[in-house]
Amino acid sequence: EDKVVQSPLSLVVHEGDTVTLNCSYEVTNFRSLLWYKQEKKAPTFLFMLTSSGIEKKSGRLSSILDKKELFSILNITATQTGDSAVYLCAVALTQGGSEKLVFGKGTKLTVNP
Amino acid sequence: ETGVTQTPRHLVMGMTNKKSLKCEQHLGHNAMYWYKQSAKKPLELMFVYSLEERVENNSVPSRFSPECPNSSHLFLHLHTLQPEDSALYLCASSQGLNPSYEQYFGPGTRLTVT
Repeated sequence: EDKVVQSPLSLVVHEGDTVTLNCSYEVTNFRSLLWYKQEKKAPTFLFMLTSSGIEKKSGRLSSILDKKELFSILNITATQTGDSAVYLCAVALTQGGSEKLVFGKGTKLTVNP
Repeated sequence: ETGVTQTPRHLVMGMTNKKSLKCEQHLGHNAMYWYKQSAKKPLELMFVYSLEERVENNSVPSRFSPECPNSSHLFLHLHTLQPEDSALYLCASSQGLNPSYEQYFGPGTRLTVT
């Protein structure tokens, strides 16, 4: 059974802290791993990772994938209250000739002033 | 098992066909969503329903027509689609519209328009 597990499920920090969100997976026919930020109704895309060991950065956010150990981390440095959201990890895989997305349950991040 | 099921899992249709995608949630949630996931593009929200009433339509062409007969079922009716509509269509549900409620996604329907 394909599964994606995120930890922690929730996290409360103060502005300026650095946080690391974890995503581990057990899937067959892995294609890519995606991170989303969900503030309101629609998740917004952050990163897509396909290769091990190559860090992707966007401002204060960065992410890296380890395909040997089957996990990814999302780092946020100098957190701000606007970073408060649910962060979703999803793995894209092929199954029976079609594509499937398996989502984790998300990590709810709260950044207090 | 996520509690959200979608059928069919994949669908190939011609541009003149009419087909429907079905989503069912077994979680007792009140809000349901349709998303489109195209290759290498971010997830796009299409429709939002809360308590069987449509609350959001993100400028989706009229060839996509949603229907929510009850809080457990959501349909997406397809008519005269274009090849660029080929994508993975994801259904999700949540306890309510409050953004603190997490969304649970179904496995998706892979649609190919020929």
